Amino acid sequence: EPEVTQTPSHQVTQMGQEVILRCVPISNHLYFYWYRQILGQKVEFLVSFYNNEISEKSEIFDDQFSVERPDGSNFTLKIRSTKLEDSAMYFCASVRVVTEAFFGQGTRLTVV
Amino acid sequence: SQKIEQNSEALNIQEGKTATLTCNYTNYSPAYLQWYRQDPGRGPVFLLLIRENEKEKRKERLKVTFDTTLKQSLFHITASQPADSATYLCALVTGFQKLVFGTGTRLLVSP
Repeated sequence: EPEVTQTPSHQVTQMGQEVILRCVPISNHLYFYWYRQILGQKVEFLVSFYNNEISEKSEIFDDQFSVERPDGSNFTLKIRSTKLEDSAMYFCASVRVVTEAFFGQGTRLTVV
Repeated sequence: SQKIEQNSEALNIQEGKTATLTCNYTNYSPAYLQWYRQDPGRGPVFLLLIRENEKEKRKERLKVTFDTTLKQSLFHITASQPADSATYLCALVTGFQKLVFGTGTRLLVSP
């Protein structure tokens, strides 16, 4: 069964450092997303990506964040100058058309 | 303001009973709504999707209803089992297939 793969599963970084979270979406899917879940809180939308560009982004997704699909398979989320409050689970998801979203297992980001 | 509320943070039921979870929303007009299951430390897993013109959808022991007048969806698990214990998330689909999640209901099924 196809699945969305995320790496690393856990990342610890110092405040102010840059991190890159990686995702391999399902190959024939068209829409790609990043969501975030702070411990004990709800899953929040960060950004959607379609046709090689950002289609929508939330208020959380400020200039500190960027996304890329550099080679047609990987989908990355970069967080520049991480803050303590960026600590969360980050989930990548992909959608084929008007169907369910497939989520990866997440990257737990801990900023210290 | 826009809100998605799920009825309770936690729901405890006995094995074999039907679990009913509620999702209410305000100031949205979703074309469809989805339900996901989330286990601790894991990503959400899709369960069911229901469109605005559908009243009810079933899949095995799961049933979802969608009332766009009441702005409410009900999610039922019949003949519940301890393995059904998890957090269940309601999500509205907006924009570019973007999901807006509720806070979730933690279901605990006791043997």
